[in-house]
Amino acid sequence: KNEVEQSPQNLTAQEGEFITINCSYSVGISALHWLQQHPGGGIVSLFMLSSGKKKHGRLIATINIQEKHSSLHITASHPRDSAVYICAVTYSGTYKYIFGTGTRLKVLA
Amino acid sequence: DGGITQSPKYLFRKEGQNVTLSCEQNLNHDAMYWYRQDPGQGLRLIYYSQIVNDFQKGDIAEGYSVSREKKESFPLTVTSAQKNPTAFYLCASSTSDRVREAFFGQGTRLTVV
Repeated sequence: KNEVEQSPQNLTAQEGEFITINCSYSVGISALHWLQQHPGGGIVSLFMLSSGKKKHGRLIATINIQEKHSSLHITASHPRDSAVYICAVTYSGTYKYIFGTGTRLKVLA
Repeated sequence: DGGITQSPKYLFRKEGQNVTLSCEQNLNHDAMYWYRQDPGQGLRLIYYSQIVNDFQKGDIAEGYSVSREKKESFPLTVTSAQKNPTAFYLCASSTSDRVREAFFGQGTRLTVV
């Protein structure tokens, strides 16, 4: 069982829909990261969270430390949002990141 | 602009040959990492380095080697001992504080034929 679980694995949405991607982890963390990987393969860091909520444009990330759960929301989705979204966690005292397997999002025009 | 540069983007090699993937960063980060990505799997750590002249094995280090002679550079060599080298390889660097914000390169897709 992966320490970081994402759902859904695949998601297809119509343009304009509100999208939610979920991430659960098993032990206490120092930070949770949401990453975006486009078809070319490069990865961009979207958010880094240790508590609460962050917003950047149409993207919102929340984290509930007690429930060990985070969500990434995309409002008014657009075809250019099509990508793989990856959740990763870091722990105090270690340099390791633990990655989820990703959610493949496709937004149709 | 600060960032991480991986080269080349695509690489083809014959089976049995060693190949070295380049990773350079100008973010002044102490920590650097190499990850491997296979279809349907999360990123897996090959090697990481916390500081110049020091590096540690990750979860899948067998068949790989690295060096960290300069802060800016962390090259990865895929040796002939790696049984299944065809994969997508990502380099990253991070701050060394508690949360360790990471920056990733564009990746190198290695195909061994």
